[in-house]
Amino acid sequence: NAGVTQTPKFRVLKTGQSMTLLCAQDMNHEYMYWYRQDPGMGLRLIHYSVGEGTTAKGEVPDGYNVSRLKKQNFLLGLESAAPSQTSVYFCASTRGTEAFFGQGTRLTVV
Amino acid sequence: AQRVTQPEKLLSVFKGAPVELKCNYSYSGSPELFWYVQYSRQRLQLLLRHISRESIKGFTADLNKGETSFHLKKPFAQEEDSAMYYCALIGKGGSEKLVFGKGTKLTVNP
Repeated sequence: NAGVTQTPKFRVLKTGQSMTLLCAQDMNHEYMYWYRQDPGMGLRLIHYSVGEGTTAKGEVPDGYNVSRLKKQNFLLGLESAAPSQTSVYFCASTRGTEAFFGQGTRLTVV
Repeated sequence: AQRVTQPEKLLSVFKGAPVELKCNYSYSGSPELFWYVQYSRQRLQLLLRHISRESIKGFTADLNKGETSFHLKKPFAQEEDSAMYYCALIGKGGSEKLVFGKGTKLTVNP
């Protein structure tokens, strides 16, 4: 039982490049979330999913897309990375109401 | 709309002193409130939830519906309590998205 796993852990992108962050959970959770964590801003919700095949926008969705083709995976995509997207990204899944988090992905856009 | 407010970005106390981290919320229904903690370079983890009414690592939090608050308290702070603390809210039964406050960085000085 690995819990919530994010890949990659670190990444450096050039402005305009694209990438996909993968979140995988093996706990059969329905809800999954993507957050970004920035100094002084706390955790801001980017997108979330209430089940396989469904996604919804959070607080700061612009510049990101997501997909939940399989219940255990929640993908976060950046189509054209910008320096403002430099952040630490956390994925989470919930069982009932308790959230379990991944270890984070540190993304730098130069 | 769901909103969580943590008015203090930074809080510094001395070892053995009492500590209180403030959290206020806004939600039209009956929310479930949580405190999550993030130690340096680690993933977020659940500290406690209001429905369990338990004390974890000496911390307690009481839900005050009249004041819409869920302050976190500890009578005698320890150096190992130094961390980021996030207050979070979710609709009862997990029916809505999980929303976090901006966090409070607690530093316990020797």
